[in-house]
Parts: sequence; structure tokens; C-alpha cells
Amino acid sequence: QVQLQESGPGLVKPSETLSLTCNVSGASVSSKTYYWSWLRQPPGKGLEWIGYIYYGGITSYNPSLKSRVTISSASSKNQFSLQLTSVTAADTAVYYCAGLFHGHFDYWGQGTPVTASS
Amino acid sequence: DIQVTQSPSSLSASVGDRVTITCRATHDISSSLAWYQQTPGKAPKLVLYAASRLQSGVPYRFSGSGSGTDYALTINSLQPEDFATYYCQQYYSLPYTFGQGTKLEL
Repeated sequence: QVQLQESGPGLVKPSETLSLTCNVSGASVSSKTYYWSWLRQPPGKGLEWIGYIYYGGITSYNPSLKSRVTISSASSKNQFSLQLTSVTAADTAVYYCAGLFHGHFDYWGQGTPVTASS
Repeated sequence: DIQVTQSPSSLSASVGDRVTITCRATHDISSSLAWYQQTPGKAPKLVLYAASRLQSGVPYRFSGSGSGTDYALTINSLQPEDFATYYCQQYYSLPYTFGQGTKLEL
């Protein structure tokens, strides 16, 4: 059973960088099976795909966030990470990591709330 | 980007009812559509993929249909645990996009 768990600060100051990590168990972040993804959900709103990282370090990002996003992985720790720079209040959301398989998100972390505020 | 629009945005129903939620894409997505169920404070859960394929462990009262740009999620004989918000997601092309959600209320 694949399990994911997000971790990171719950509060980020405007203009600073949001950094989150997702620990994966039950699957390898280095495998060719899953695309390891980040999504977010602002309070009371819908879901937004942020991007993914795949085998060999291949990444893809949502164009709406591409200039500010970096997703990386650490195979020795079986985890992957999200960095979002220059945050504003609009980046306040619950952030989810997920395992993407053939385009659909099969496995999800529980989500971690992040507030961008001074 | 391919936009997906769900309707209705909210729906009231009773235990035992049959309900249908629809999702329309701005382009033909060739059945590359998934449905998710989300309860308050929880992560979304995959219900259906490829428009009509039931994810493992999901009850058979859930079904999906559609093709081209128009898709539907039907829940037969609603159970108390089915009252949640449902999202569709297209994965025909990047960026992956979601509908705005349909809140199914008792």
C-alpha cells in the first residue's frame, strides 16, 4: 500500500519561499510507475495541479506557476519536495502530495495547510 | 488549457436516491477523465478513471459514462457516506485540470 505524508512549515511570510516535503512509503520515488505530484486547494475552493517529478528527474509544471515552482526528489530518503518562491496570500492553501498513475491521482497524502501571512 | 465544467455546483438528495453529476470539457478528451470524492478535512479519493472504470475498492453503486466532451458520474442508492464533494479531472493534456466541484448534500 502506497502512503504519502507531507511535512513543512504551516506559515510562510509573503515574498518568501514555501518548502514542503513528501515522504513516500510502499513505493520508490525512483521507480517508473508513478509520477510524484503536488496539488493544492485554497480554502473553500477547488483543486489545482502544481506539477510532478518522474523517473530520471523529469519534471512538468503548471504554466500558471511554472516561473515560481521547483519539484525535486531525494531517492536515498524516498521523498520528493516542493519549493514555491515569492509567495503571496493567493498561495494560502492545503497542499497535497500524490502519486499519479496514467494521468489520475491514485494515492494522496493527508494534506498540509500553508498560510502566507506576515 | 482544457477547462472542465461541472454541474450542478450543489445537489440535495436523500439516502436511497440516484443522482447524476455531469462534467463538460472544452475539447474532446477521449475518456481521459477521473472522478474524485472528497469529504471535509480529507484528501480527495479516486472513484473512477478512464471515464467509467471503477477504482479498486469503490462500491458498484458508482458508475461513469460519457465520451468526447461530455461525461457523467452516477451514484445509485445513495448511502450516508456518499454525501461529499465530487470533482472531475481531465488528464488528456497538460496541465491537468479539475472541475470546480459538486457538493452532494443530504
